[in-house]
Amino acid sequence: KNQVEQSPQSLIILEGKNCTLQCNYTVSPFSNLRWYKQDTGRGPVSLTIMTFSENTKSNGRYTATLDADTKQSSLHITASQLSDSASYICVVSAQTRDDKIIFGKGTRLHILP
Amino acid sequence: DVKVTQSSRYLVKRTGEKVFLECVQDMDHENMFWYRQDPGLGLRLIYFSYDVKMKEKGDIPEGYSVSREKKERFSLILESASTNQTSMYLCASRIREGKTYNSPLHFGNGTRLTVT
Repeated sequence: KNQVEQSPQSLIILEGKNCTLQCNYTVSPFSNLRWYKQDTGRGPVSLTIMTFSENTKSNGRYTATLDADTKQSSLHITASQLSDSASYICVVSAQTRDDKIIFGKGTRLHILP
Repeated sequence: DVKVTQSSRYLVKRTGEKVFLECVQDMDHENMFWYRQDPGLGLRLIYFSYDVKMKEKGDIPEGYSVSREKKERFSLILESASTNQTSMYLCASRIREGKTYNSPLHFGNGTRLTVT
C-alpha cells in the first residue's frame, strides 16, 4: 500500500535554532518527492522537489535530502525564523498512468521568539 | 505567478442544502483537483480532472460531484450537505509537461465549510 509517514507530528523550537523533519514512504514506482509549506489559513506551497537521482537540494535556509534506497527524506531548516511557523507536508508521486499523489499528514512546526 | 482562486473563504450551510464551491486558475493548467483537509487526516483527494469535460473519482468521492465545463474553472458540488462534510476544501491545479508530472500543485487558499 502506498503510504507517506511524517515525524514528528509537531515540533516546537526557539527562533534561531535548526530542526529536521522526517518523511518515510512506501510508494512504488517512485516518481518524485516534494516538500510543501502550509501557512495557517493558506494553501500549501511547494518548497522543493526531489527526483530519484538527487540526494540533496537547497532552497535558501531549507535543505531537503533523499535516500531512495531506504525511502527516506528529510527537510532541514537552518537558523529558524518566526515565519517558518507552519505545517510541512511531504508529498510523493508514483510513476503510474494516473500519477498517483500521496500526501503525508504533515509536521506542525512552531517557532518561539 | 500562478493564481488559484476559490470563491469563498468561509461558508456556512444547513444540512440538506446543495452547495457549490468554485475554483478558478489563471495559467491554462490542464489538471485540477479538489481535496479536503481535516485535522489528523491530512489532505484527501475528492475528485480530479485531467482536462475540460473530464473528471475522475479520487479517494473519497461519496456525496460529492464536480463540473469542468471550462478549462480554468473546476466546481465541487455537495448534492445534499451533511455535517460530516464540515471541512477545509482546497482546490489545486497543475500543468502537464509532456508525459511527466514533475510540476508542482498550485493551491488556492481554501474554503472552510461548516454544515450545521
